[in-house]
Amino acid sequence: DVKVTQSSRYLVKRTGEKVFLECVQDMDHENMFWYRQDPGLGLRLIYFSYDVKMKEKGDIPEGYSVSREKKERFSLILESASTNQTSMYLCASSYKALMMNTEAFFGQGTRLTVV
Amino acid sequence: ILNVEQSPQSLHVQEGDSTNFTCSFPSSNFYALHWYRWETAKSPEALFVMTLNGDEKKKGRISATLNTKEGYSYLYIKGSQPEDSATYLCALAGGGADGLTFGKGTHLIIQP
Repeated sequence: DVKVTQSSRYLVKRTGEKVFLECVQDMDHENMFWYRQDPGLGLRLIYFSYDVKMKEKGDIPEGYSVSREKKERFSLILESASTNQTSMYLCASSYKALMMNTEAFFGQGTRLTVV
Repeated sequence: ILNVEQSPQSLHVQEGDSTNFTCSFPSSNFYALHWYRWETAKSPEALFVMTLNGDEKKKGRISATLNTKEGYSYLYIKGSQPEDSATYLCALAGGGADGLTFGKGTHLIIQP
């Protein structure tokens, strides 16, 4: 079974802190994604990566950066956490591009609270 | 940004009843339509990925249809069971290596 593992289920950070959310997948997938989920809104794409050291902005990249130094690991970085970044963060990966009849595999999510 | 709409937002269904809900999306520039089930405290799991107009897919009691010309997909659950309680997410895949654009989901509660 494909496994996508996020480093924390729950995280509480202070405003202004630098925050790292880590995601690891074990199936040699090319593509990795970071989404956030907020009440009343669908999952929204923050960043994605289709190869090591490659990254592309999604729909809501402001306030975030990412790092993909190794194929299996995709990190989301909040440079200076703010309260409006309190959210559920989901990491996903896929073998091929999602337009090509291939599914995404998700991690269990990290609920981040910024106080 | 693509607009993916799901209805209804939430649904209460009696155990044993069948139900269905809708996903609407722009019919132009279609590549693939995904359905995911997201149970509380678990990861979203793929149900179906559909790419062809007229496609019908089935997994046990759950099935889905796709109409790319008019821009909608239906998800059907036959004989609902308590374990079907979840949020069902519909998502559209754009071109290239982009991620998915999700609807807000349909929250399904099965009442015993």
